[in-house]
Amino acid sequence: LAKTTQPISMDSYEGQEVNITCSHNNIATNDYITWYQQFPSQGPRFIIQGYKTKVTNEVASLFIPADRKSSTLSLPRVSLSDTAVYYCLVLGGQGGKLIFGQGTELSVKP
Amino acid sequence: GAVVSQHPSWVICKSGTSVKIECRSLDFQATTMFWYRQFPKQSLMLMATSNEGSKATYEQGVEKDKFLINHASLTLSTLTVTSAHPEDSSFYICSATDSGRAGEQFFGPGTRLTVL
Repeated sequence: LAKTTQPISMDSYEGQEVNITCSHNNIATNDYITWYQQFPSQGPRFIIQGYKTKVTNEVASLFIPADRKSSTLSLPRVSLSDTAVYYCLVLGGQGGKLIFGQGTELSVKP
Repeated sequence: GAVVSQHPSWVICKSGTSVKIECRSLDFQATTMFWYRQFPKQSLMLMATSNEGSKATYEQGVEKDKFLINHASLTLSTLTVTSAHPEDSSFYICSATDSGRAGEQFFGPGTRLTVL
């Protein structure tokens, strides 16, 4: 299982764009990159998943360079409710267990 | 779609008693379910992988006799914490994989266990 590394914490202000970068140097050919969001005392919530290049949904964008050794989660115009812990995970194409790293604690200030 | 529920959402018990936590996939069949434990200000730690109709696979360091997992149907997995002690107090979260949507896990809301 590929190990991921991401910043422990980040601070931002309302209305700003936030980019959280994750490194996964040992990613395998059939691995997908997945991001989850977790609020205190709640289960993680799926945000976005991608394999290469760029993926966008109504919540976020995910940028993956050609070598796939890193990825960047982009949250446009964050609000106070985006304050949460964000986890970057690498998952095999056929599913399987997720090993959570430390995550990035994002704090959005007014 | 793809909703996972847990019951109870919180439980308080006395030391030495056993507690059962249920995890259900409400609108899909989950051939595989996972159990995690999360202590305050820490990340999720995978405890075990549960496959329907077979024995669970426990991660290293997790006592299988203490944390009993049963996956009797495609929509239900249970975690029983036997002879609970205060150090077992934690946030327990389950997740399930939808076989039709490979690579995506859906998480339950979690169960807060407090052992007095």
